[in-house]
Amino acid sequence: SQQGEEDPQALSIQEGENATMNCSYKTSINNLQWYRQNSGRGLVHLILIRSNEREKHSGRLRVTLDTSKKSSSLLITASRAADTASYFCAPTGANNLFFGTGTRLTVIP
Amino acid sequence: ETGVTQTPRHLVMGMTNKKSLKCEQHLGHNAMYWYKQSAKKPLELMFVYSLEERVENNSVPSRFSPECPNSSHLFLHLHTLQPEDSALYLCASSQGTGGINEQFFGPGTRLTVL
Repeated sequence: SQQGEEDPQALSIQEGENATMNCSYKTSINNLQWYRQNSGRGLVHLILIRSNEREKHSGRLRVTLDTSKKSSSLLITASRAADTASYFCAPTGANNLFFGTGTRLTVIP
Repeated sequence: ETGVTQTPRHLVMGMTNKKSLKCEQHLGHNAMYWYKQSAKKPLELMFVYSLEERVENNSVPSRFSPECPNSSHLFLHLHTLQPEDSALYLCASSQGTGGINEQFFGPGTRLTVL
């Protein structure tokens, strides 16, 4: 399926550390998006990386994409307690996004 | 979150009830979506509307009936639901349905079916 699969399912780190979350998918994609969800709320778009890009930055976020391995990673540097949330990757086909189950990140103050 | 609003935020209903979820977007978008989010399952795309026309229906049971009267409003009519339909129902909107487009989500309706 085109669904993203995030790894690990859960991650717990100390404030100030970096957090890395990985995403794998099975089919060819046009782009890949990352979203964040605070507990029981809607998703918020973080960043989009196109299939011809290898790396993209936005503030403390760094996203990589390796289409040969069908994988992406999201790095959050200098984490803060407010970064505690679930993070989803969404490989995108022609029309739709295909979300996975997410990585639950807990940042301990 | 004020870009996409959803009401009610919480809903408890019996299996024989009929209820409706409402979504409104204030972003001028032309595409709207319903998603279902259950614990430990991938976010499930239910329906897609583009320019008020349904463009995708991912094998959703007929007890879920969407309605899109205009580009700003989306409804999900519910009837004779099952307990396994309990979930967080998320509405989203975007400008166009292409995969390049960022989707903006509402806060969701937490539905419990007794």
